[in-house]
Amino acid sequence: GQQLNQSPQSMFIQEGEDVSMNCTSSSIFNTWLWYKQDPGEGPVLLIALYKAGELTSNGRLTAQFGITRKDSFLNISASIPSDVGIYFCAGPQNNAGNMLTFGGGTRLMVKP
Amino acid sequence: NAGVTQTPKFRILKIGQSMTLQCTQDMNHNYMYWYRQDPGMGLKLIYYSVGAGITDKGEVPNGYNVSRSTTEDFPLRLELAAPSQTSVYFCASSADRVGYRTQYFGPGTRLLVL
Repeated sequence: GQQLNQSPQSMFIQEGEDVSMNCTSSSIFNTWLWYKQDPGEGPVLLIALYKAGELTSNGRLTAQFGITRKDSFLNISASIPSDVGIYFCAGPQNNAGNMLTFGGGTRLMVKP
Repeated sequence: NAGVTQTPKFRILKIGQSMTLQCTQDMNHNYMYWYRQDPGMGLKLIYYSVGAGITDKGEVPNGYNVSRSTTEDFPLRLELAAPSQTSVYFCASSADRVGYRTQYFGPGTRLLVL
């Protein structure tokens, strides 16, 4: 099946720094989703992208749908301690759009 | 708002035992899903359902069974538990296909098989 590769696998940053992470695939995706998972909780959707080249923001978060449709990027500006968690990219696995493939996640740690 | 609820929160099973993980949603969503998340990994789809009475396999269905007799409930059955099934299990629901509607996740069930 389709695979999504996320990098970096983990990041340890200082509060106030900007963060960039990405997700790549060998296959084309028509939708990119970014989720955040807080420790001990289920994932929560942050941003959804539906068009190649689309740039969408949600507060301090900005995500982009790559032009090739094989990648996506998530940026977090001015990180704060509550940004700690695991960030997952995901995309529909089949044409029916009812199965998601998840990347392995980027674990973010923020030092106050 | 309850959203998606899962029980139990944590369970220890012995090899060969069986159990049912419960999942209920109160949002009248047609689509429901079961995922497992192994330590340090992303989520993998076990089974999903597009409505009451309809279920289908995901990526990793072996060792599991599901049923969907009502819109609200989507239990996951483990038969003959094995150490490889040690994982965190998440149930999720959505109003429509995941690419176009927010998928809501439950808090998870942590399962340890010894």
